[in-house]
Amino acid sequence: GQQLNQSPQSMFIQEGEDVSMNCTSSSIFNTWLWYKQDPGEGPVLLIALYKAGELTSNGRLTAQFGITRKDSFLNISASIPSDVGIYFCAGQGGATNKLIFGTGTLLAVQP
Amino acid sequence: DAMVIQNPRYQVTQFGKPVTLSCSQTLNHNVMYWYQQKSSQAPKLLFHYYDKDFNNEADTPDNFQSRRPNTSFCFLDIRSPGLGDAAMYLCATSRDLTPRGNQPQHFGDGTRLSIL
Repeated sequence: GQQLNQSPQSMFIQEGEDVSMNCTSSSIFNTWLWYKQDPGEGPVLLIALYKAGELTSNGRLTAQFGITRKDSFLNISASIPSDVGIYFCAGQGGATNKLIFGTGTLLAVQP
Repeated sequence: DAMVIQNPRYQVTQFGKPVTLSCSQTLNHNVMYWYQQKSSQAPKLLFHYYDKDFNNEADTPDNFQSRRPNTSFCFLDIRSPGLGDAAMYLCATSRDLTPRGNQPQHFGDGTRLSIL
């Protein structure tokens, strides 16, 4: 099925470092979502973005809805070991509210 | 407190033996979704219910069926599981469907299905 281009595919960083990941699409979306998935768990919604250009923060997380509505980024500041997991972006829109997922970014944080 | 609850968390079945996975929600959301997620991949939508209206994805095999007896519960039935059906199955809900797409989906913790 259709997927968004998400990069990087994986990141291995030291505790305390800042992290940035992004998603791009050839299609326009009305909503961009960022989820985190821990092993053996379901995706947990981190941030939802509803307007082009919107910049939203959730604690150490900041995400932006690109002005073209075709991209989004997620930043994590001062990473900690519990930030480890897989981060998925997802575009949402259309009559069925269908989610189109990115390919995921695996984040590993070295204490 | 969990708002989208999936049971069981782990399910083992035999090749070809029907299996049912369940999902319940306390959010009173109109829409319930079922996804299949294989290792190192993003979730793949199988189908969704908007209230009692069932909407199947074009590439979902006939082997997968669903039932929604009431607002709170939704079931995924796999009629004859094959080895390729081993995966994590995720249930999600959203409050409604709107053209603006501003109804985020909330996921349960999934059921990991193994096929012997």
